[in-house]
Amino acid sequence: DIQMTQSPSTLSASVGDRVTITCRASQSISGWLAWYQQKPGKAPKLLIYEASSLESGVPSRFSGSGSGTEFTLTISSLQPDDFATYYCQQYNSYSLTFGQGTKVEIK
Amino acid sequence: EVQLVESGGGLVQPGGSLRLSCAASGFTFDTYWMGWVRQAPGKGLEWVANIKQDGSDEYYVDSVKGRFTIFRNNAKNSLYLQMNSLRAEDTAVYYCARSVGWRSNFDYWGQGTLLTVSS
Repeated sequence: DIQMTQSPSTLSASVGDRVTITCRASQSISGWLAWYQQKPGKAPKLLIYEASSLESGVPSRFSGSGSGTEFTLTISSLQPDDFATYYCQQYNSYSLTFGQGTKVEIK
Repeated sequence: EVQLVESGGGLVQPGGSLRLSCAASGFTFDTYWMGWVRQAPGKGLEWVANIKQDGSDEYYVDSVKGRFTIFRNNAKNSLYLQMNSLRAEDTAVYYCARSVGWRSNFDYWGQGTLLTVSS
């Protein structure tokens, strides 16, 4: 199975900060990567698919980049609603796998 | 509006069985792959299984192969997960999710249903 490793595991930031989360794959997944946001007690929400495509309705402050084995999710200016846990997910193989998550906390 | 509503969770003893259901609405159910994703308490997301539009193809994470079966009833716009030989480590919130392909991301998710496996 393809292993997905996110860093950092926890990130403390302030409103207005630029935030970057990294996701690394154990082997190349081309651009087959998605990013989700999850708030406590809620289902995950799709933010980005195919590494850099913004899901409809998602604010443009969210962006994704990367290919192969290294990917990033960037929030250009952190808003109060963005404090949550973020997960990457690869879908290069039929055995889908997620990263362990990155919690974005208020500094 | 796309809606996915799971049901069927509860408390089950180790070795027991349970069936989860997911009622779908707001989209043409039989044109989408569907899947189940679970989340153990305080842990991350784990994909469990996916099923093709017509039910003819299924994929499972290794830890549930031979114990869980995903199936669907397109006439009822419903997805199911039959879980047998349950273990404590199967304890989790189980989410039903819509997939845009056989290897793909999940674009809509249900609210989840909690399965607790404990004696």
